[in-house]
Amino acid sequence: DTAVSQTPKYLVTQMGNDKSIKCEQNLGHDTMYWYKQDSKKFLKIMFSYNNKELIINETVPNRFSPKSPDKAHLNLHINSLELGDSAVYFCASSQTGTGGSPLHFGNGTRLTVT
Amino acid sequence: GENVEQHPSTLSVQEGDSAVIKCTYSDSASNYFPWYKQELGKGPQLIIDIRSNVGEKKDQRIAVTLNKTAKHFSLHITETQPEDSAVYFCAAAGGNQFYFGTGTSLTVIP
Repeated sequence: DTAVSQTPKYLVTQMGNDKSIKCEQNLGHDTMYWYKQDSKKFLKIMFSYNNKELIINETVPNRFSPKSPDKAHLNLHINSLELGDSAVYFCASSQTGTGGSPLHFGNGTRLTVT
Repeated sequence: GENVEQHPSTLSVQEGDSAVIKCTYSDSASNYFPWYKQELGKGPQLIIDIRSNVGEKKDQRIAVTLNKTAKHFSLHITETQPEDSAVYFCAAAGGNQFYFGTGTSLTVIP
């Protein structure tokens, strides 16, 4: 009954490969996000989808492509992986509304590119 | 865009003492300020939040204060315990956009 679940938890791959990370939320939220956390723990927004529509697309290489088949799922596909892509990637969700509502995070996917 | 600064980056306290983490933000349109705790190998978890129409909020040993005029907000943890050791993040949000501070690594020494 995990609220935001992402798979896999660990991903080790070689440079040049293509990989995907999946995310699902069962909170009924209408907005989902991908964040990247580097080795210094900085949390950087990558993408945000609201009801399957892209609403935030920060400066991210176009090798990264998010896909939202429905509002409960937001997957991240990465082409031609590079060493610098190594990081922990977090999926999150929230409910749009006035006054603010919190982000709920998954437990992360640790990506290691060798 | 919004810029959130967080201090200190590391903090060590003796068990039972208080810990204070401070954040400033730049965009007066931000109206929601959550705090997250991240334990090793896990995602950030919400511990307390405050909205712009409130100056202070408390939940047991944790409290948050907000000064909208000065654009700063703080997290206060009293009677710290070893299990409070973690990385803490502040955030400022307006609508669907969340901007995070750079994190504070808190160590509570038994």
